[in-house]
Amino acid sequence: GEDVEQSLFLSVREGDSSVINCTYTDSSSTYLYWYKQEPGAGLQLLTYIFSNMDMKQDQRLTVLLNKKDKHLSLRIADTQTGDSAIYFCAEGFSGGYSKLIFGAGTRLAVHP
Amino acid sequence: NAGVTQTPKFRILKIGQSMTLQCTQDMNHNYMYWYRQDPGMGLKLIYYSVGAGITDKGEVPNGYNVSRSTTEDFPLRLELAAPSQTSVYFCASREDGNTIYFGEGSWLTVV
Repeated sequence: GEDVEQSLFLSVREGDSSVINCTYTDSSSTYLYWYKQEPGAGLQLLTYIFSNMDMKQDQRLTVLLNKKDKHLSLRIADTQTGDSAIYFCAEGFSGGYSKLIFGAGTRLAVHP
Repeated sequence: NAGVTQTPKFRILKIGQSMTLQCTQDMNHNYMYWYRQDPGMGLKLIYYSVGAGITDKGEVPNGYNVSRSTTEDFPLRLELAAPSQTSVYFCASREDGNTIYFGEGSWLTVV
């Protein structure tokens, strides 16, 4: 079946790097996404990677994809207090209604 | 830019009451979605629509109904509200391409 798993909580010190990990089971996905959700707000698309790519960098964000192990990670360099939020990993599938399968989210807490 | 707008933001319902969550988008997107988010869980798809007049069930449709009479609007109807429907509801839309735009969410409590 389709499943996306993430660790539920990560705590980092301000200025350090954060690495949020995600594993998935369905290798037929076309895209893999990272969404950010701040308290009381909707989901904001942070970045996505095509399933045939290994890495994508976007300013402080680095996405690594290991297709063989079905493992996706999001690295946030120089983590700031404003990065405190819940981060959702999601698998996206082309065709039809463009199904998205979400993980449960990782709550990132940034402390001084 | 308005994007995807949901109303109401918060609502408390009594068991057995009915209500409609409104969703409208001003981006002329064909695809629209309703998700629910339960604590500690990822988003689950309730219903989706690929265009005006066309809707279909997602993963968790029981207890809900939708309609899509226009491209802009995709209301979600709860009939006979139950405590299990206490959740945060997100509407979203997409055009061709990868980006799905989410509304800010509607917090619903059924007591």
